[in-house]
Amino acid sequence: DVVMTQTPLSLSVTPGQPASLSCKSSQSLLHSDGKTYLYWYLQKPGQSPQLLIFQVSSRFSGVPDRFSGSGSKTDFTLKISRVEADDVGVYYCMQGTHVPPYTFGQGTKLEIK
Amino acid sequence: EVQLVQSGAEVKKSGESLRISCKTSGYSFSTYWITWVRQTPGKGLEWLGRIDPSDSYTSYSPSVQGHVTISADRSISTVYLQWYSLAASDTAMYYCARIGGLYKYCTDGSCSVFGGYFDPWGQGTQVTVSS
Repeated sequence: DVVMTQTPLSLSVTPGQPASLSCKSSQSLLHSDGKTYLYWYLQKPGQSPQLLIFQVSSRFSGVPDRFSGSGSKTDFTLKISRVEADDVGVYYCMQGTHVPPYTFGQGTKLEIK
Repeated sequence: EVQLVQSGAEVKKSGESLRISCKTSGYSFSTYWITWVRQTPGKGLEWLGRIDPSDSYTSYSPSVQGHVTISADRSISTVYLQWYSLAASDTAMYYCARIGGLYKYCTDGSCSVFGGYFDPWGQGTQVTVSS
């Protein structure tokens, strides 16, 4: 199975400042069809996870443009250009290239200073 | 509006059976696969399996293969996750989610299904198993 490793495990950010979250996979997520199936989810406190980014860098419907995804093969990054109070929660990356099984990272907890 | 509404919290004992449900609405049930994910404080999010409601084809994580069963009832647009013999280690929050953006690739008579983002998610069902 593909192992997804996220760093840091926790992050404390001042509102208005940027944040950068890393996700690394144990194998390249580039599929033979030329696409890379790497996703980002946010789980706000007390809620179910919600989709932010699909296929590395495409923002899902309704996701603010403060969120951006980048990366390739085994190294991926989620950036928040200006953190807001509503962004608190745990961010998970997930791979959908080598499935089944889908595998998630252990999560990065974002807190506001 | 697409909605996935899960059944309520359950408290069971080891060895008992259980079936939890995920009722969908707001779209054509057979068009999208459904997946189950569990969450525990110690192991984070763990994918359990998925089902194609059009033909009830399923695939499971090796970690739960043979321990859980996923099924679908097209007449009521509902997907189930079932255990025949619960263990204390099954204590977790269980989520269902619809899978969008799946891709299918067929070659030499066999097909693989990959990709797929999970959205929307159900509200979760807490399952507590005591030993």
